[in-house]
Amino acid sequence: KQEVTQIPAALSVPEGENLVLNCSFTDSAIYNLQWFRQDPGKGLTSLLLIQSSQREQTSGRLNASLDKSSGRSTLYIAASQPGDSATYLCAVRRGDSSYKLIFGSGTRLLVRP
Amino acid sequence: NAGVMQNPRHLVRRRGQEARLRCSPMKGHSHVYWYRQLPEEGLKFMVYLQKENIIDESGMPKERFSAEFPKEGPSILRIQQVVRGDSAAYFCASSPRLAEGTYEQYFGPGTRLTVT
Repeated sequence: KQEVTQIPAALSVPEGENLVLNCSFTDSAIYNLQWFRQDPGKGLTSLLLIQSSQREQTSGRLNASLDKSSGRSTLYIAASQPGDSATYLCAVRRGDSSYKLIFGSGTRLLVRP
Repeated sequence: NAGVMQNPRHLVRRRGQEARLRCSPMKGHSHVYWYRQLPEEGLKFMVYLQKENIIDESGMPKERFSAEFPKEGPSILRIQQVVRGDSAAYFCASSPRLAEGTYEQYFGPGTRLTVT
């Protein structure tokens, strides 16, 4: 059974700091992995999607890496800003073409001005 | 191209009442997924539907919950005789036909259900 864990559960950093959010999954047979951002009381915004054949994806100040063999992904945020404050969720899609996304519990990020 | 739309955004029901949550997928999307997010938890898959078909409802509670996606109109998640434990955010996602694209699911803003 696929389980997704995100560490840390919460993180508070001063503005400008580079930071790394971690996501681990128990079954390496995944189809893809996706990072989302969730603002309080709002929906999910897709940030990056990494296919199982890829090692990383970049968008602006965000970089996500994927290491299937170790069951890990990291989301790197460069030069953090207060507007980055949100909950970050990772989700994996199983490798058997299953459509279900298996979510982690998220990392709640606060970037202090 | 409007995104996934859900209504209502907030819904308050008393114990024992019925809750109906609606989801209109993105234009051109014929696959709909419902997820539930309990307080302080990640999202959990509930059900996957195509037009007029329930493909997978393995995440749905066995009783009181049902879902449909008719030929015309939005997808509906229905909760009968709500209890306090049903209080959660319910998210809908949609995707194109599986034969196309990257299978990415696009999420709506969610419906926050509060049972008093």
